[in-house]
Amino acid sequence: DAKTTQPPSMDCAEGRAANLPCNHSTISGNEYVYWYRQIHSQGPQYIIHGLKNNETNEMASLIITEDRKSSTLILPHATLRDTAVYYCIVRVAITDSWGKLQFGAGTQVVVTP
Amino acid sequence: NAGVMQNPRHLVRRRGQEARLRCSPMKGHSHVYWYRQLPEEGLKFMVYLQKENIIDESGMPKERFSAEFPKEGPSILRIQQVVRGDSAAYFCASSPPRGSTSEKLFFGSGTQLSVL
Repeated sequence: DAKTTQPPSMDCAEGRAANLPCNHSTISGNEYVYWYRQIHSQGPQYIIHGLKNNETNEMASLIITEDRKSSTLILPHATLRDTAVYYCIVRVAITDSWGKLQFGAGTQVVVTP
Repeated sequence: NAGVMQNPRHLVRRRGQEARLRCSPMKGHSHVYWYRQLPEEGLKFMVYLQKENIIDESGMPKERFSAEFPKEGPSILRIQQVVRGDSAAYFCASSPPRGSTSEKLFFGSGTQLSVL
């Protein structure tokens, strides 16, 4: 599976947009970009995923560059409850099932009042 | 629809005892994944199972650890002769087969194993 590179930490002011970058320069054509977050020792929580088109849901937006070598997760209006470790993961889609999620170190996001 | 259920939530064992961790996937999910998170570290993949089959066990320690996902009942992660280094949070996740409308892994709340 392709590796991802994320900044180790970032701060964000409450109410502002948080833009989390991720590099995945070795991504292959059958690999999707997934974002999860983990809030203080809880189970990881799914945020969003995409292949090549930009995606938006009630939690966030995912912007994937045209060459697919990087992506940005956007939390449009950060709240204190968004403080968490955010993981960018590439996941392979294989014939009749999906590959595993390989978690890296992620980005520790701290939302401040 | 209940989420992924893991039990027990906390498990305390003495060195040398066995630990059994259970995971009931979400309804309709036929894939289960186990992850381990050591204190202050990231999540590490252990094993991926479908019903009655181990698909990928590349992250499982070679000794003392085993996993199963029988046709009926929960998935079990079994750790024999536990040592202090096994103390960690163990998370289970489930997903439906590929081709379903959902391509996400849903995680449980984890089992915190403490070895005395």
